[in-house]
Amino acid sequence: DTVLTQSPALAVSPGERVTISCRASESVSTLMHWYQQKPGQQPKLLIYLASNLESGVPARFSGSGSGTDFTLTIDPVEADDTATYYCQQSWNDPWTFGGGTKLELK
Amino acid sequence: EVQLVESGGGLVQPGRSMKLSCAASGFTFNNYDMAWVCQAPKKGLEWVATISYDGSSTYYRDSVKGRFTISRDNAKSTLYLQMDSLRSEDTATYYCARHSPELYGEGVMDAWGQGASVTVSS
Repeated sequence: DTVLTQSPALAVSPGERVTISCRASESVSTLMHWYQQKPGQQPKLLIYLASNLESGVPARFSGSGSGTDFTLTIDPVEADDTATYYCQQSWNDPWTFGGGTKLELK
Repeated sequence: EVQLVESGGGLVQPGRSMKLSCAASGFTFNNYDMAWVCQAPKKGLEWVATISYDGSSTYYRDSVKGRFTISRDNAKSTLYLQMDSLRSEDTATYYCARHSPELYGEGVMDAWGQGASVTVSS
């Protein structure tokens, strides 16, 4: 299975820029997607196909990357962005998710 | 408004069965592939199974093949997950999710239910 590796946690101050990384154990082309999950809620799609912003998602969120290295950027970070962020690949079977990056605000 | 509402979770003994349902509304259900994704307590997300828009094709992760069955009733706009021979490691919240390969590309889940909790324990 394709393993997606994310940093477990990050802490930033409101107004700062944060980059969340996701590294794949093998190429996933650009079939990488990002989800936000707030405590007690279901996941929400933010970015699809590496860099496409889902409708209704603030332009503060952006994605980039291809192959094995991907990033989700939030600029500027707001208090409401406190959540766990998951990457997910759909290039290789089975589809897999990263372990999640918990974003905390200082 | 797109809504996905799961039901049927609860406590079940190891080796027994449970069936989850997901009622869809706010969109044309039979135009979309659907999936189940699980999340063990305090853990990350794991894709479980996918079914095509017409039910003709199904896909499963290896750990549930032969034990879980995904199905759908387009007339009722409802997705199902039949879970047999349940194990303690199947304990998780199970989310139903919508796929739209034509709009988003393969494997993107653009709408999710609130989840149904399944606990497998004696």
